[in-house]
Amino acid sequence: GAVVSQHPSRVICKSGTSVKIECRSLDFQATTMFWYRQFPKQSLMLMATSNEGSKATYEQGVEKDKFLINHASLTLSTLTVTSAHPEDSSFYICSARDPRQSYEQYFGPGTRLTVT
Amino acid sequence: EDKVVQSPLSLVVHEGDTVTLNCSYEVTNFRSLLWYKQEKKAPTFLFMLTSSGIEKKSGRLSSILDKKELSSILNITATQTGDSAIYLCAVGERSGGSYIPTFGRGTSLIVHP
Repeated sequence: GAVVSQHPSRVICKSGTSVKIECRSLDFQATTMFWYRQFPKQSLMLMATSNEGSKATYEQGVEKDKFLINHASLTLSTLTVTSAHPEDSSFYICSARDPRQSYEQYFGPGTRLTVT
Repeated sequence: EDKVVQSPLSLVVHEGDTVTLNCSYEVTNFRSLLWYKQEKKAPTFLFMLTSSGIEKKSGRLSSILDKKELSSILNITATQTGDSAIYLCAVGERSGGSYIPTFGRGTSLIVHP
């Protein structure tokens, strides 16, 4: 099946710094990628939809200036958490849609962010 | 109010039992319903359902969609400890030309030996 990678898998940063998370589709071109956030024992909350070559669409309540998304190519989307605070600590997961398979999403392995 | 509701929220069974997980939804432009299994990290895909009444089967797992009732069930027969996981239901809807997925809160399944 299709493979999506995420990097880094774990990151610890200090409050006030910025962190960039990469999401790559390895064997297909993804025109659309999704970014999710998951708190412990809770479901995936969609943060934004990233479309290649255009601005990301953010869900209600998600700060655009805090969570910068760039989908610069058909295989790479990045999420940058700017001026991170401890409350941003979470598990961030990306997924990519394979246009060859309608509506199927392939998930990356996730990134555990801890802000101290 | 949640657009995708899963029940039960948690379930504890013994190996060999059969379980039925439920997912109901309320979306405007339904396109598909997907089931995922999440263990420690990212969810893994189980089924995608788009048509009502057609059962999808994979080993001991099966799922069916009822568009009239706006719901789906996921059945697991002869459960094993390896089935312990969170099972997530997601509904995809079309909104303004885009595909928007919404996840339910999941059902936590624990299978005891």
